[in-house]
Amino acid sequence: EAQVTQNPRYLITVTGKKLTVTCSQNMNHEYMSWYRQDPGLGLRQIYYSMNVEVTDKGDVPEGYKVSRKEKRNFPLILESPSPNQTSLYFCASSSVSGEGNIQYFGAGTRLSVL
Amino acid sequence: AQRVTQPEKLLSVFKGAPVELKCNYSYSGSPELFWYVQYSRQRLQLLLRHISRESIKGFTADLNKGETSFHLKKPFAQEEDSAMYYCALSGHSGGSNYKLTFGKGTLLTVNP
Repeated sequence: EAQVTQNPRYLITVTGKKLTVTCSQNMNHEYMSWYRQDPGLGLRQIYYSMNVEVTDKGDVPEGYKVSRKEKRNFPLILESPSPNQTSLYFCASSSVSGEGNIQYFGAGTRLSVL
Repeated sequence: AQRVTQPEKLLSVFKGAPVELKCNYSYSGSPELFWYVQYSRQRLQLLLRHISRESIKGFTADLNKGETSFHLKKPFAQEEDSAMYYCALSGHSGGSNYKLTFGKGTLLTVNP
């Protein structure tokens, strides 16, 4: 089954404790992206990647890092989480050819930073 | 810069009534427009896009380049249509133009 898988689904942590949210897709998509969803603000892009070893900042990259060492994986790293990073995070992927920019989303990771 | 505006945060209608969710956009080139839907406790999923010009679950959306709008319509709303709806825009070329920019969403509630 074609899917985007995020782990963990729920995470509670404390300020300053490094964490990684994993994202994996099995559709051989070139494009992957991370968003955060906050009430009243919709979805805002954090980082995106056009392909392996190619990443770039989205609208709200501060406090986040990403890497794209393999095509299927695009982890989101919070080196020193702060309470303002409490949010619902979504990973998405899409193909850059053929069907156009239809993005497939993961189920989301709800992060609470205390 | 690309921008998507959904003027209504909340929209409430009765079952069987027509519904229209508004979306306006700003983009200097030729955009690709989408509607995504998020049902309660589920992931976002594509509802429809302007290129395919199809009707999904009774919803349609027409791209009006003159008014830079992509409103989502359904003639007879159903309770199962209650969800958060996001309008989104993408460019066609690679790099930053491929970014999908979302509006802030409209929460549709269909009352019995």
